[in-house]
Amino acid sequence: GQNIDQPTEMTATEGAIVQINCTYQTSGFNGLFWYQQHAGEAPTFLSYNVLDGLEEKGRFSSFLSRSKGYSYLLLKELQMKDSASYLCAVRDSNYQLIWGAGTKLIIKP
Amino acid sequence: ETGVTQTPRHLVMGMTNKKSLKCEQHLGHNAMYWYKQSAKKPLELMFVYNFKEQTENNSVPSRFSPECPNSSHLFLHLHTLQPEDSALYLCASSQDPGQGTDTQYFGPGTRLTVL
Repeated sequence: GQNIDQPTEMTATEGAIVQINCTYQTSGFNGLFWYQQHAGEAPTFLSYNVLDGLEEKGRFSSFLSRSKGYSYLLLKELQMKDSASYLCAVRDSNYQLIWGAGTKLIIKP
Repeated sequence: ETGVTQTPRHLVMGMTNKKSLKCEQHLGHNAMYWYKQSAKKPLELMFVYNFKEQTENNSVPSRFSPECPNSSHLFLHLHTLQPEDSALYLCASSQDPGQGTDTQYFGPGTRLTVL
């Protein structure tokens, strides 16, 4: 079967750095997505990785290792507004998106 | 901001009611999706429409009935639901599901409670 694993919940301090991991086992690979979802709101697109390496976009960076079936989302200079759930999704060989259950990130002052 | 709107935002219904969820996208996309989101579970894809044609139906019970009259509008008709159907129902759209880079854009969802 296909599977995406991410931690259920993480806590971090305002101003700090946090890394949210995602491991996947899918039938083929056509890219990995990260989304942010604030409580009661729509998931919003953060990043897309299809090649190995680090993609940086402001305070957020996303890393991919296809050989390890692994990605992480790195959030720097954490702000209270970063409190949200972060969803990892992989596009498989049939171009279907396989979703993780999401990681709830709690930021404390 | 995302260009995908959903109504209503909240819905409470009894098991014998009939209701409909509406989604509209203003992004000029060709594909639209219905997802079910339950607490601490991955998003469950329910239906996919591409150029108004249904391309996916992931073993969804017949009490959920989708309708896609055009590429901008998507409905989910509900009847004789069960309490376990209570969840957040998300609509999304994208340009081309056959491309690896294709990004889905979501609406804010309808929070459904079945009594």
